[in-house]
Amino acid sequence: EVQLVESGGGLVKPGGSLRLSCAASGFTFSSYSMNWVRQAPGKGLEWVSSISSGSSHIYYADSVKGRFTISRDNAKNSLYLQMNSLRAEDTAVYYCARREAMEVWGQGTTVTVSS
Amino acid sequence: EIVLTQSPATLSLSPGERATLSCRASQSVSSYLAWHQQKPGQAPRLLIFDASNRATGIPARFSGSGSGTDFTLTISSLEPEDFAVYYCQQRSNWPPTFGQGTKLEIK
Repeated sequence: EVQLVESGGGLVKPGGSLRLSCAASGFTFSSYSMNWVRQAPGKGLEWVSSISSGSSHIYYADSVKGRFTISRDNAKNSLYLQMNSLRAEDTAVYYCARREAMEVWGQGTTVTVSS
Repeated sequence: EIVLTQSPATLSLSPGERATLSCRASQSVSSYLAWHQQKPGQAPRLLIFDASNRATGIPARFSGSGSGTDFTLTISSLEPEDFAVYYCQQRSNWPPTFGQGTKLEIK
């Protein structure tokens, strides 16, 4: 079964850091580009970042550029999102999704930025 | 950035009725448009990719059409489990963008 499982969310103070993980199974992870998409409470979906299969191409939304870093470890079938200098507006459920077609989604992990 | 505008914002229908949801792009996305369904407290799920192709396991009552800037998601006969929020999403131009969503609610 194709599956994505996020972890690492939690409560963090403004200015703090958090590292999200996404564990992939059921498919050849190293062959696919991956994305992070977030959803603020009661709001719609917002693309955050993408990474190509071999990590050669990386993209960020303007809202997180310079603060977030996407990476992957194909040997561990894992995707990561390092989030620094967190702001209240980063509060959201963070999903990992396969390919730019968003053909498979994880269940999400909640990040709350609050003092 | 391509802006996707969905209409209506809310659609109130009864089970068994036909639902028609629209998505308009600010510039052509060719056929690189997807539809995702999200139920409360759940992750989104891909329904339709490349405008008209049903994803694996999606019932035949869901169909997509359109190309260029105007797209439609049709649910031929609503089942109780279809009441949810639906998002369109384009991957034609960077960055990928989503519409604001259409909430399909029970009348």
